[in-house]
Amino acid sequence: GENVEQHPSTLSVQEGDSAVIKCTYSDSASNYFPWYKQELGKRPQLIIDIRSNVGEKKDQRIAVTLNKTAKHFSLHITETQPEDSAVYFCAEGGSNYKLTFGKGTLLTVNP
Amino acid sequence: GAGVSQSPSNKVTEKGKDVELRCDPISGHTALYWYRQSLGQGLEFLIYFQGNSAPDKSGLPSDRFSAERTGGSVSTLTIQRTQQEDSAVYLCASSGGQGRQPQHFGDGTRLSIL
Repeated sequence: GENVEQHPSTLSVQEGDSAVIKCTYSDSASNYFPWYKQELGKRPQLIIDIRSNVGEKKDQRIAVTLNKTAKHFSLHITETQPEDSAVYFCAEGGSNYKLTFGKGTLLTVNP
Repeated sequence: GAGVSQSPSNKVTEKGKDVELRCDPISGHTALYWYRQSLGQGLEFLIYFQGNSAPDKSGLPSDRFSAERTGGSVSTLTIQRTQQEDSAVYLCASSGGQGRQPQHFGDGTRLSIL
C-alpha cells in the first residue's frame, strides 16, 4: 500500500534561515502532493500543493520540489519567521482519492 | 458556510458510552473525509464519501465505528462502546471534486475517553 516517510521529525532554525522538509513515497501512481501546516490546537491548513506534471512550484517564501523518478518531494521555506513555527505534514494522492500523510515535522523558528 | 464546521469541539465521555461527531462540509463540496489524529501523530484516514456513491470505509478501525452522510451534506461519525484507545482528535475534510481537489479541514473534535 501507500507509504510516506517524512524527515526530519523535528527541525529548529534561527529566524531568517531556510527550512527544508523532505518526504518520500512508494506508490508510482502518486500524482498529487500537498503540504499542510498545523498550528497547535488548530486545523491543518493547505499551504501549497504540486501535481506530477511540474517539478517545482513557488508561493512567496514557500516552494515545493518534486522528483518523480526518485519518488521524493520537499518543502522549502525561506526567510523563516517565528509565525512559521508549526507542524508540517506532507501527503500524497495517487490514482484514487485518498491522501496518505506523513507523520509530520515540528518546525521551531527561534527569534 | 465559510469553512468546514465540526461539533462538538470537545467531548469527554466514559468508557463504554456511544458518541456522535458531526461535520458540516463546505457548501457545494461533494467529497467528505473523516480522519483520526492521535497525539503527536499524523492523520489516519477513516472513511470517504463522494456524492451518491457507496462510501469507502476501508480505514475504519473496527465495527464499533460507523458514519453516515445524509442528503449529500452533513456527516455523522458514530463510535459505539468507546474504548480509551479511541481518544484522539477526529478531523473532517471536504473537497470540491473527485478527490483531486485540495481537502479543506475543520477544527476537529477532541474526544477523551475516561
